[in-house]
Amino acid sequence: DIQMTQSPSSLSASVGDRVTITCRASQGISNYLAWYQQKPGKVPKLLIYAASTLQSGVPSRFSGSGSGTDFTLTISSLQPEDVATYYCQKYNSAPPAFGPGTKVDIK
Amino acid sequence: EVQLVESGGGLVKPGGSLRLSCAASGFTFSSYSMNWVRQAPGKGLEWVSSISSSSSYIYYADSVKGRFTISRDNAKNSLYLQMNSLRAEDTAVYYCARVGRTTGAFDIWGQGTMVTVSS
Repeated sequence: DIQMTQSPSSLSASVGDRVTITCRASQGISNYLAWYQQKPGKVPKLLIYAASTLQSGVPSRFSGSGSGTDFTLTISSLQPEDVATYYCQKYNSAPPAFGPGTKVDIK
Repeated sequence: EVQLVESGGGLVKPGGSLRLSCAASGFTFSSYSMNWVRQAPGKGLEWVSSISSSSSYIYYADSVKGRFTISRDNAKNSLYLQMNSLRAEDTAVYYCARVGRTTGAFDIWGQGTMVTVSS
């Protein structure tokens, strides 16, 4: 099975900072990569699919890039409401594995 | 409104069984693949099982294979997870999630139902 890793596992940044999270697949998955946001105590929410396509309603400060095995999620200007854990997920084939998550908070 | 509502969670002893349900509304349930995803307390997301729209394709995580059974009733707009031989490590919030037809990712999630396996 393909394994998903993320780095860093956590980060602390200031409001307005540019934040980048990396996700790596153990084998190539083309662009079948999604990003989810889970705020504390809340349900996961789809942010990005197909590696770089923003889900409807998601603020444009979020962006995704990558293909094959290496992917990034970028928040161009961190806002207080972005405090959450972010998960990547590959969905090209079963099992649709999640990464371990990256916890983002405000410095 | 597109909605998924889970039910059936609770406290069960090790070795026991539980059946989770997920009621769908606001969309044509029979056209979508569905999944169960769980999250142990303080831990990350773990995919559990998938079922295609017509139940033709079913997949399980190795951690639950042989113990859990996913099913659906398209006439009742409902998804199920029969959980047998439960273990302490199955303790988690269980979410049902829809696979988006244009996204391919999990675009709609239920609010989750808590399963606690403890003696």
